[in-house]
Formats: sequence, C-alpha cells, structure tokens
Amino acid sequence: AQSVTQLGSHVSVSEGALVLLRCNYSSSVPPYLFWYVQYPNQGLQLLLKYTTGATLVKGINGFEAEFKKSETSFHLTKPSAHMSDAAEYFCAVSDRPRSGGSNYKLTFGKGTLLTVNP
Amino acid sequence: EAQVTQNPRYLITVTGKKLTVTCSQNMNHEYMSWYRQDPGLGLRQIYYSMNVEVTDKGDVPEGYKVSRKEKRNFPLILESPSPNQTSLYFCATRPPNIQYFGAGTRLSVL
Repeated sequence: AQSVTQLGSHVSVSEGALVLLRCNYSSSVPPYLFWYVQYPNQGLQLLLKYTTGATLVKGINGFEAEFKKSETSFHLTKPSAHMSDAAEYFCAVSDRPRSGGSNYKLTFGKGTLLTVNP
Repeated sequence: EAQVTQNPRYLITVTGKKLTVTCSQNMNHEYMSWYRQDPGLGLRQIYYSMNVEVTDKGDVPEGYKVSRKEKRNFPLILESPSPNQTSLYFCATRPPNIQYFGAGTRLSVL
C-alpha cells in the first residue's frame, strides 16, 4: 500500500524567504506525484505533478518540485515566499495506470500549513 | 470550462436524517470519486466509480452509499448520518494524469 509523509504539519517563513515543504512517499513502483494547495475555505488546486520525464517539475505561482527516486522524495520549493502563499499544502501519490483499468485513488499526506510572516 | 459542481456547499443536519450530496461534472469523464477531509488526516477516499453502474469502495466507505446512473452525476448518500461523519467532502473526476476537485461540501452532523 502506498503512503505519503509530509514532514512538518506547520511551516512558518518570512516574506521573501525560501519555502521548502517536504514530502516522502512509500510505493513499490514509482507513482505519479502531485502537490495540491488549499486556501482557506476553498477547494483543492493542483500546483504541479510528476508523471514521467524531467524530474524537476515547474508549477503555478512559482513553485517547483523535484522527484528523487533514490530518496523517494518529492519536495516542494519556492525561492521567495509571498503573503499570498499562506495556505495548506498536500502532497499526494497515485498508481500509474494499468491495462484493464485502475482506481486512480490519490493517497494524500496529512498536509502542511504554510504561514508567511511580513 | 471544466467544472465539478457539488451541492450543497454547507449542510447542518441531525443524527439519523438521510441526506444526499450531489456531484456533477461537465467533462464526460468516466472516473469519479469521493473523498473526505479531516484535520490532521488529509484526504481519504470514500468511494469511486470507473463508469456508469460501476462503483467500488475506497478506504473509508462505512456509513456511505453512492450511485452512478449516468456519467455526469455521482451522488454521495448518507442513509443515517452520525456525528463522526462531520467532515469536509470533495468530489473528484479524472482525465489522464490529473484530478479535478469540486469546491467541497462542509457537513456537520449534530
């Protein structure tokens, strides 16, 4: 069974500082990897995803993540935090599609709440 | 515009009173799914559907039912809600490699 661990349920940074949100996964084969963001009282928005190809993935709002197979990690970074980045961030994995169909279930981490201080 | 629409967005009910949360998508996707979100637990899958009349349990199906009579709709049914079903619920649909989520339904069972 897959699992996702997000290190740090709460991360606090200063405006302009580097944002680093950590995600490690456990899976028998490399899965698809995702980062979602949830702003207060809103739904989930996809930030970026890795399925195949280049291991450094760029997403929206200046975020990027790097898939490291040897470390089973998919950490999310942004060089300079903005106040508008304050939200909860979820790392998620899903199985790669198989012939005959799949439950494209997303297995989520427990989330990391990012606060940005002025 | 791709949309996943959930109704209602907010619901307060009492223990044992049957309720249905509707989910509709305009993308003609075969796959749909329901998740619940609880503080400190992330999101967990309740049920999913691979196509019309094809549904199956996710990780936390107890106390829930679903139906898939047409491709665009995937309602979540709570026959006898209990306080432990107080949660934030999300419907999702999936083209290859990505999932679109609805805006969520916040349910409180008193």
